[in-house]
Amino acid sequence: QVQLQESGPGLVKPSETLSLTCTVSGGSISNYYWSWIRQPPGKALEWIGYIYYSGTTKYNPSLKSRVTITVDTSKNQFTLNLRSVTAADTAVYYCAKGSYTEDYWGQGTLATVSS
Amino acid sequence: QSVLTQPPSVSAAPGQKVSISCSGSSSNIGNNYVSWYQQLPGTAPKLLIYDDNKRPSGIPDRFSGSKSGTSATLGITGLQTGDEADYYCGTWDSSLSALLFGGGTKLTVL
Repeated sequence: QVQLQESGPGLVKPSETLSLTCTVSGGSISNYYWSWIRQPPGKALEWIGYIYYSGTTKYNPSLKSRVTITVDTSKNQFTLNLRSVTAADTAVYYCAKGSYTEDYWGQGTLATVSS
Repeated sequence: QSVLTQPPSVSAAPGQKVSISCSGSSSNIGNNYVSWYQQLPGTAPKLLIYDDNKRPSGIPDRFSGSKSGTSATLGITGLQTGDEADYYCGTWDSSLSALLFGGGTKLTVL
């Protein structure tokens, strides 16, 4: 059974970079797509982007200028970097397995943007 | 405002059946597979339906998915209090080149 766990700072200052890592256990990161999805408090899910284990990425056009997703197959991890954050980026961030269908999800981590 | 439109809320009594709709367009639902997710309070979403009407292992057959044209529907029969959750549809949009989610529907089992 694949398990995913998000990690990273819970508090980020405005204009700085939000960095989160997702560690995959119970299976290899190879041969699959991996996604980041976020959910502002009380709001709907929003797709951020995905990465293939080989490094190919696709991002939400609305966030593309600020997002980078990378993968480290040796550590079975993938990472989200979101630059120039504002209060509007405050959300629970989920990592998940899949590209257009996410079949396994992490528990989520709340990232708050505040000075 | 989401590109995929879901009713904000639905309700039904225990044991009854409920349907949750998800309306889109030809660039998303009309030409791509739809998935459905259940999000219990305070937890991560869980995949219920994929490829319009397929259930992952472990999902009971009380949950079903269907699609017609540019709309998709999630059906839940034999409602239980444990089904109270937010439900989201999701699909790829070929024009936006992005994965979309509906605005979510809150199910209340009265």
